[in-house]
Amino acid sequence: AQSVTQLGSHVSVSEGALVLLRCNYSSSVPPYLFWYVQYPNQGLQLLLKYTSAATLVKGINGFEAEFKKSETSFHLTKPSAHMSDAAEYFCAVTPYSGAGSYQLTFGKGTKLSVIP
Amino acid sequence: KAGVTQTPRYLIKTRGQQVTLSCSPISGHRSVSWYQQTPGQGLQFLFEYFSETQRNKGNFPGRFSGRQFSNSRSEMNVSTLELGDSALYLCASSPAGGSPYEQYFGPGTRLTVT
Repeated sequence: AQSVTQLGSHVSVSEGALVLLRCNYSSSVPPYLFWYVQYPNQGLQLLLKYTSAATLVKGINGFEAEFKKSETSFHLTKPSAHMSDAAEYFCAVTPYSGAGSYQLTFGKGTKLSVIP
Repeated sequence: KAGVTQTPRYLIKTRGQQVTLSCSPISGHRSVSWYQQTPGQGLQFLFEYFSETQRNKGNFPGRFSGRQFSNSRSEMNVSTLELGDSALYLCASSPAGGSPYEQYFGPGTRLTVT
């Protein structure tokens, strides 16, 4: 079984400041990890994914995340926040089974506010 | 390529009724998954279809069902609606043979049960 914990349901940063959104996972098998973003009244957009290649993953809109197996973490960062980054962010995990199962387990989400 | 489309976008139903939601995946995608999003429970997996077969199922009662057609379009049905079924229902599609487990989400159908 797998699970995801996102620390902090709300995070506020000033425009231009570092964004750090925390995600810890639990998985009994090697995981695939994802970050999605959701803007109001919209679906989820994939920001980046970890699929057992490079541990530092770069995504869209300047976001990146680092997979740390020893800490079971996959924190999302962006060096400089922009007003357009205000949204809800979800970390998700799926176990690598090789069987083509596409079930994602999501964290509860973190709402990011950017203060001008 | 057009993205994942879901119809209708908004729906209001009464307790006890049934509802059918539709999802058209990205052209060429053969896997379609459904998720329920509520403020209390967050995002929860309902089921996944691949080549017209249900391949995976989440922990939801039998009132929730789905199917997939030969053109990969999918529908989900909820019978005997309850107030707690009010949620945003998201559909996601994945390419067969593409990047593993990468899912593309539609805008969702907002279901309100009164």
